[in-house]
Amino acid sequence: GAGVSQSPSNKVTEKGKDVELRCDPISGHTALYWYRQRLGQGLEFLIYFQGNSAPDKSGLPSDRFSAERTGESVSTLTIQRTQQEDSAVYLCASSLGVGESMNTEAFFGQGTRLTVV
Amino acid sequence: AQKVTQAQTEISVVEKEDVTLDCVYETRDTTYYLFWYKQPPSGELVFLIRRNSFDEQNEISGRYSWNFQKSTSSFNFTITASQVVDSAVYFCALSEAGDYKLSFGAGTTVTVRA
Repeated sequence: GAGVSQSPSNKVTEKGKDVELRCDPISGHTALYWYRQRLGQGLEFLIYFQGNSAPDKSGLPSDRFSAERTGESVSTLTIQRTQQEDSAVYLCASSLGVGESMNTEAFFGQGTRLTVV
Repeated sequence: AQKVTQAQTEISVVEKEDVTLDCVYETRDTTYYLFWYKQPPSGELVFLIRRNSFDEQNEISGRYSWNFQKSTSSFNFTITASQVVDSAVYFCALSEAGDYKLSFGAGTTVTVRA
């Protein structure tokens, strides 16, 4: 697609339920990132994928959070047993991120606004 | 360790005024990259600029300009003759070579009043 696409755009869930957030990166981008943005705050790194592998999961806040990526394209961020503190906008980004193209600019999706009630 | 500080939380200006956003960073690496992103009310982050640590030349793009000074570890951003459409949250970010992830500052909210 032309840009990074995320779905759903909004998600309201009950505390304790599991949620899945989806990200479709820009075609050809091997690097994919998930960030979290709490209301009025900056972006918090969650996880990075290079291809289908995740060399850095250091930002995942707890074992309730997991992510996978298949076919070097779509990625899913799963939050199990959601808590109210999980309420935030979850942003996905992709970049070329290969070899000399490391540290190229990342292009962001519009995010999924998650509200846990 | 990486750290990006945007000391200004909010800036409010009247249209046509200039506004400068400060960004100070910390890194031990000699090779790193600095970025500015704009986040309008729609929520999507829009890439504005990327600079590497070896290129201190200031850059101008239309009404936007950036001042990179390694001596003070700063990468400031100026909007000249601001317009209402410039109202957004602006984030400064840093990544080190080979460390793909971006470390973001807390952001500066710019409000341009007509």
